[in-house]
Amino acid sequence: AQSVTQLGSHVSVSEGALVLLRCNYSSSVPPYLFWYVQYPNQGLQLLLKYTSAATLVKGINGFEAEFKKSETSFHLTKPSAHMSDAAEYFCAVSDTGGFKTIFGAGTRLFVKA
Amino acid sequence: NAGVTQTPKFRVLKTGQSMTLLCAQDMNHEYMYWYRQDPGMGLRLIHYSVGEGTTAKGEVPDGYNVSRLKKQNFLLGLESAAPSQTSVYFCASRRDSVNYGYTFGSGTRLTVV
Repeated sequence: AQSVTQLGSHVSVSEGALVLLRCNYSSSVPPYLFWYVQYPNQGLQLLLKYTSAATLVKGINGFEAEFKKSETSFHLTKPSAHMSDAAEYFCAVSDTGGFKTIFGAGTRLFVKA
Repeated sequence: NAGVTQTPKFRVLKTGQSMTLLCAQDMNHEYMYWYRQDPGMGLRLIHYSVGEGTTAKGEVPDGYNVSRLKKQNFLLGLESAAPSQTSVYFCASRRDSVNYGYTFGSGTRLTVV
């Protein structure tokens, strides 16, 4: 069965520093992978997605993620953190049948001035 | 440009009371979902629908019922509310292809006392 593991429930970075949020997946078929962002008191918003077209995926707000099959990873990065990036981030994988998406537990990003 | 609309946004119920949460989408999406979000547990799928008139159980369906009589609406019902159902509920919709991400509503915060 498909599953997603996000390493670290909380990550804290200084403004201007590199952001790295880790995600590892388990899938019995070629996966479709997603990152979502949730700002306080809002619903989730799609940040980027991997659908096998390219291993390096660029998303909104300067975020990108790289699909590494050998490591079963899909880590999210941003070169320079901004205060407005403070939010919770969810990695997700589509299930085998393609009807449902399985979400990780989330990583809350704190950005220090 | 409404997207996914959830009503109500907040509700307090007494144990044993019933209520219905309404989700409406204006994007002509085939698939619709109800998730609950609890601290440290990510999003857990309650029920979902892959088209008008269809419903299916997700990961945590007990105590909930759903209906999809019209394509644009997906209703979540609690027949006899319990304190364990205190949560934030999110509705989402998606096109009928696995490489599309979800569009989420802004959530309903439900407290059962």
